[in-house]
Formats: sequence, structure tokens, C-alpha cells
Amino acid sequence: DAKTTQPPSMDCAEGRAANLPCNHSTISGNEYVYWYRQIHSQGPQYIIHGLKNNETNEMASLIITEDRKSSTLILPHATLRDTAVYYCIVRAVRGSGNTGKLIFGQGTTLQVKP
Amino acid sequence: DADVTQTPRNRITKTGKRIMLECSQTKGHDRMYWYRQDPGLGLQLIYYSFDVKDINKGEISDGYSVSRQAQAKFSLSLESAIPNQTALYFCATSEQGRETQYFGPGTRLLVL
Repeated sequence: DAKTTQPPSMDCAEGRAANLPCNHSTISGNEYVYWYRQIHSQGPQYIIHGLKNNETNEMASLIITEDRKSSTLILPHATLRDTAVYYCIVRAVRGSGNTGKLIFGQGTTLQVKP
Repeated sequence: DADVTQTPRNRITKTGKRIMLECSQTKGHDRMYWYRQDPGLGLQLIYYSFDVKDINKGEISDGYSVSRQAQAKFSLSLESAIPNQTALYFCATSEQGRETQYFGPGTRLLVL
């Protein structure tokens, strides 16, 4: 699975959009971009994933650049409850020898402030 | 009700004791996983199971064993607990053919 790079921390004002970047310059054509978050000491929570098209769900939007080397997770109206560590993960689907293991790097700690 | 539950949520035990952590899911997923997380670090895979008869070691399986009693239940055992197994343990599930994993709330284990 391709390696990802994220800033270690970010701040965002409550009610404003939070834009979390992720660099995955070595991504392969069959690899998806997944975003999870972990609120302090809770189980990681799936947010969204995509291959090459932009995606949106009730939690967030995912913008993937045309060359697929980077992406941005957007929380449109951040709340205090969105304070968490956000993980960008790149992995292939149905790859041979795929254990299903998710490789969680250091992620980005997002602090939403009042 | 939560789709993935873990019991106990917190446990304190002594070195050398045998303990079992349990995970149950109502999602109907085939695949289940056990991870551990040390403070400030990412998750490490201990064991995973693609179905009741398919159990595999992850990257840090030494000192642990598992049992897949049914599709919905996956237990993790520490045969002889040691202090460096103090960590947060998560169970997760996924559906065959889909990569999204759904995590339980975690078990906080302290080995004295």
C-alpha cells in the first residue's frame, strides 16, 4: 500500500470548513484513498473513501487531484465534536495477499476551537 | 445498539494471569480483526479472520491467541499477561469484498 503524508496538527474555528490535506504521491491505479478518524481513545470511525472522482457523504467531502497524488478531506461546518485524529489511508481493494490490515500512520490532529 | 461490541471495556490484571477479551458483531460481516494501540501510536494488527475456519496471524501475534466461535464472535486471549501488553485493544469487522472496517469501542487493558 502506498505511503501517505499528513500534517501533524491543524486548528479550525467552529462552524468553519476544515480542510485536511494528504499527500500520496506513490499511489497506484488500483488503490483507493480512505479517511478514518479517531476521537480520543474511541474506536476509529470510517468517514469516506474514493478512487479518482470526488465523493461526498453526510459526514464529509473528499477531493482527489486529477493526478491522484494528493487529496483533501473537507468537513464543511466543523463542530467541537469533530476534534479528533484524522487518518488518510491508501490501499488496494482485493489485492493478492491482502490481509485487510489498515495501516494507520500518525494522522492529523484536528483541534476545533470555539 | 452498537453494531460491534467489546467486553470488558476496562480491565486490570496481574502479570501471568490469563485473560480473554470478547468481540461481538451484529453487522453480519465475514471478516473480523483484533488490533492493539499503544499511546500516541497507530494500530497494529494482532490477528484476523476471514471466516470461522480461516484465522491468520497479524504483525504482532506473539503472546496472543484467538478463537472464532461463530461468525459474530471473535475472542482474543492473553495466555500469560505481561506489562508490555498494556494497551487499548480494538476489534473490527468488514464485509468480504469491501475494505471499509467498522471498529468497536475498545478495551483498555492494564497489566500490573
